[in-house]
Amino acid sequence: AQSVTQLGSHVSVSEGALVLLRCNYSSSVPPYLFWYVQYPNQGLQLLLKYTSAATLVKGINGFEAEFKKSETSFHLTKPSAHMSDAAEYFCAVSEFPGGGNKLTFGTGTQLKVEL
Amino acid sequence: DTGVSQDPRHKITKRGQNVTFRCDPISEHNRLYWYRQTLGQGPEFLTYFQNEAQLEKSRLLSDRFSAERPKGSFSTLEIQRTEQGDSAMYLCASSRDTPEEKLFFGSGTQLSVL
Repeated sequence: AQSVTQLGSHVSVSEGALVLLRCNYSSSVPPYLFWYVQYPNQGLQLLLKYTSAATLVKGINGFEAEFKKSETSFHLTKPSAHMSDAAEYFCAVSEFPGGGNKLTFGTGTQLKVEL
Repeated sequence: DTGVSQDPRHKITKRGQNVTFRCDPISEHNRLYWYRQTLGQGPEFLTYFQNEAQLEKSRLLSDRFSAERPKGSFSTLEIQRTEQGDSAMYLCASSRDTPEEKLFFGSGTQLSVL
């Protein structure tokens, strides 16, 4: 079965600092990987996805992630944090084909942005 | 595109009661998913439908849980004889059935079992 591991349940950065949220995956087939963000009292929103095209994926709100097969990683970065980035971030792997686009999520990383 | 809507937003019930949640997916999406999320955890897959067919159920879905999507449009998730451990956010998502398609999530139904 495929899985993802998010290192660090809480990350705190200063406004303007680099954001780095870590995700490692386990998969027996080439994976599809996703980052979702969840703001309080809102549904999950897709930030970006990797689907075997370019290894560096750009998403919304200035976020990007790089797929590194040798490290089985898909870390999320943003060069300069903004207060509005404070939210919970989830890495997920898709089990397609065969799983119907079903996603398996990590446990999440709560990002705090301080002045 | 009105998004995925879920009803109710919050449900408080007493242990042993039955509850039913509704999900209306994005209209052109033929895949519909149910997830459960507890505090401090990522969403956990419960079940998914391709049109009206329920194609997969997680072992998390005990026999007290049942989901339907009778006409391939909206779906309901029923929990019978609720237990305190059922307290969680129940999320619905929908997608097209092509590879790489992202899931669109609703805001969820927060269930509290007293």
